[in-house]
Amino acid sequence: GIQVEQSPPDLILQEGANSTLRCNFSDSVNNLQWFHQNPWGQLINLFYIPSGTKQNGRLSATTVATERYSLLYISSSQTTDSGVYFCAVEGYSSASKIIFGSGTRLSIRP
Amino acid sequence: NAGVTQTPKFRVLKTGQSMTLLCAQDMNHEYMYWYRQDPGMGLRLIHYSVGEGTTAKGEVPDGYNVSRLKKQNFLLGLESAAPSQTSVYFCASSLDRGNQETQYFGPGTRLLVL
Repeated sequence: GIQVEQSPPDLILQEGANSTLRCNFSDSVNNLQWFHQNPWGQLINLFYIPSGTKQNGRLSATTVATERYSLLYISSSQTTDSGVYFCAVEGYSSASKIIFGSGTRLSIRP
Repeated sequence: NAGVTQTPKFRVLKTGQSMTLLCAQDMNHEYMYWYRQDPGMGLRLIHYSVGEGTTAKGEVPDGYNVSRLKKQNFLLGLESAAPSQTSVYFCASSLDRGNQETQYFGPGTRLLVL
């Protein structure tokens, strides 16, 4: 199956800083999503982005499908951005399963 | 619109006991999923369903059974709980598979097996 690697595993930043989170995947994907899990455990979908670039406020994401990676950018970080960010992918085969990376834990200090 | 709800929120079981986790969605979604999340790890797919009356195995299906008798409900059963099944269980749903379809997650069920 597809392997998903996220980096860095942990990131500690001061409020106001910018950050880039990376997701590498080992095969072509039909579906790539970024999720945020807040400190209370709630999972929220951020982007559906199997290719191209999307922006939503201070967050943006870019997936370069031909090079098998995706980047999540967070600008002007706020303490509410803290939590774990997951990348999840799914291959083209009808038998493909959704595979999550192990996540990047982001801590924003006030 | 309640979205995706899960029952119960927390449960403690003894080894060998059985239980059923209930997931309900009110968005008329076709696809539903059960995941488990262990400390420091991402989510792993247990079972999923592509529509009422269908189920399929995910990445880690052993020790679990599921049923999708109604479109809005997806049940996850543990017939004989083991300590290795201590985890947080998340249910999710999506309208369809693939193009432009995002998953919506429930709040999770924390299960402790002693």
